[in-house]
Order: sequence, then structure tokens, then C-alpha cells
Amino acid sequence: AQTVTQSQPEMSVQEAETVTLSCTYDTSESDYYLFWYKQPPSRQMILVIRQEAYKQQNATENRFSVNFQKAAKSFSLKISDSQLGDAAMYFCAYTHMNNNAGNMLTFGGGTRLMVKP
Amino acid sequence: DAGITQSPRHKVTETGTPVTLRCHQTENHRYMYWYRQDPGHGLRLIHYSYGVKDTDKGEVSDGYSVSRSKTEDFLLTLESATSSQTSVYFCAISDTTGRNTIYFGEGSWLTVV
Repeated sequence: AQTVTQSQPEMSVQEAETVTLSCTYDTSESDYYLFWYKQPPSRQMILVIRQEAYKQQNATENRFSVNFQKAAKSFSLKISDSQLGDAAMYFCAYTHMNNNAGNMLTFGGGTRLMVKP
Repeated sequence: DAGITQSPRHKVTETGTPVTLRCHQTENHRYMYWYRQDPGHGLRLIHYSYGVKDTDKGEVSDGYSVSRSKTEDFLLTLESATSSQTSVYFCAISDTTGRNTIYFGEGSWLTVV
């Protein structure tokens, strides 16, 4: 079974600074997708960024980027120029395609990010 | 935003009573999922559906049943609610075409007293 581990229950960053959230996963599959989701206090699940395992290039979405290390099974999220609105729970998630379950996701336990003004 | 509606959004019920949560989608996506979210566990899969009347169990399915009689509706039933089922429940939908994007509903807060 696949597992996703987020080893940092809480992180804090100063506004305008950069922070990196860690995620490791375990899988025997070679073709899969990885995601970072943001969950603000409203509990809405917001997709931040996604990475296809077959792509060597790290995904980037504006201030958010990932460091995908396939051999190490590591998938960290870097937030640059942190803003107060970035404060939230962040979840790393994994899915393996090509089965009856479609995009069934396995989630890590989450990292609470606090942004200090 | 994807067209996903969960109902009810908030519910308080007594131990031993049946509860049904509804997920309705307007995207015509094939796959639908029910997750629960508890502190320290992220989201965990309860049941999923890969078509009308096609469902299967997830990681934490004990005490739950599901039904999907139409593409757009996926129902989660707690036959006899227990306090351990107090949680936030999320519905999600996906389609394996295109970018394989997964969309989440806004969540249903269930409290079993």
C-alpha cells in the first residue's frame, strides 16, 4: 500500500520569506501523480500544484514550486515571498493511475503553516 | 469551480441513528469518492465509485455504506451512527481524461452525540 508522510506538523515563516514543506512517499509504482493541497480555516481543499512522476521538470505555479526527487521518493513544496493568505494546512497527496479507482488519493497527515507579519 | 454540492453541510445526530450524506455533481465525471478528515490523519478514503452501481471500499469503510444509482449522485450512509464517526466528510470527483484533476466538495460537518 502507498503511504505519504509529512514529518513537519507545524511550520512558521516570516512574511515575504521562503519556506519549504517536506513530503515523502512510498510506492512500488512507476507512473503516478503527486499533489499539494491547501486547506484554509474554511476547510475548502484547494489544489496548489501537481507533479506527474514521468516528468523530470519540477512543477511551478507562480510563488509555489516543488522539488521532486523520484529516486528518493521526496516531494517538497517551496513557497516564495510568503503572504499572510498562505497560512493554512497543507496536505501532500499521491495517486496511482490506471485502476478501477481512478484518482484515488492517499494523503499525508498535513503541515500547519503559520505566517508571521 | 467544479459543480459539486454536499448536503447537509452541518448535522448533529444522536448515537444509533441512521445518517445519509449526499454528494451531487454536475460535471458528469465517472469517479466519485467519500473521504473523512480527522486531526492528524489528513483525509482518508471511505468508499469510492467508478460508475453507476459500481462501488468499492476504501481504507476506513467499516460502519459505512454507499450507493450510486445515478451518475450525478453518490450517497454515504451511516447505518447506526457512533461517536467515532464524528468528522468532516468530503466528497470528491475525478475523470481520468485530460489532466486527471480531482475536485472536492466543501465538506459536511457531522457530530454524533
